[in-house]
Amino acid sequence: DAGVIQSPRHEVTEMGQEVTLRCKPISGHDYLFWYRQTMMRGLELLIYFNNNVPIDDSGMPEDRFSAKMPNASFSTLKIQPSEPRDSAVYFCASGRNEGYGYTFGSGTRLTVV
Amino acid sequence: GENVEQHPSTLSVQEGDSAVIKCTYSDSASNYFPWYKQELGKRPQLIIDIRSNVGEKKDQRIAVTLNKTAKHFSLHITETQPEDSAVYFCAASINFNKFYFGSGTKLNVKP
Repeated sequence: DAGVIQSPRHEVTEMGQEVTLRCKPISGHDYLFWYRQTMMRGLELLIYFNNNVPIDDSGMPEDRFSAKMPNASFSTLKIQPSEPRDSAVYFCASGRNEGYGYTFGSGTRLTVV
Repeated sequence: GENVEQHPSTLSVQEGDSAVIKCTYSDSASNYFPWYKQELGKRPQLIIDIRSNVGEKKDQRIAVTLNKTAKHFSLHITETQPEDSAVYFCAASINFNKFYFGSGTKLNVKP
């Protein structure tokens, strides 16, 4: 099992540009989560899906952020337009309904200049 | 919603000593409490977890205790080693779904 796969690992973009982060969860996991990590705010849950359906997006900071999960093996987090304050490490994680915690991906380090 | 508080924010111990990190939670409905270790520049990784029907769980040098009445849980690391140096996060959830994370504890084990 390759684990949760995220791409890209690093992204540097200019303010105002669109950014798309990608995630492939572990096969068989029916939950998928997007987190953002910064020094100031720690680990923040942005949105999570169950069986490809968004369940709770209350953590999405504003309308510039959107997430989709078109199928069980792929999810995207899009920021349009990006701003410098969006700079952070974005983690995707997946899990099964039986629990045992999430498995995190390696993260995407986003820098908006 | 749930509020998880974690203390201390930094902890420095001598190699071989024990380390204890404490968390409190607010929602009495929370029933699953995982602990994650995050090394610098890496992903958080689950190291141990406990469910509300258990008061203590141990795995080699690490153990977690849970006091449901007081709504707090703790991570105990014995015989610390330099490779234990990392940031540790506690979390609380209801039925394994939405995890609420603490703010993290940076543990430094001095050789």
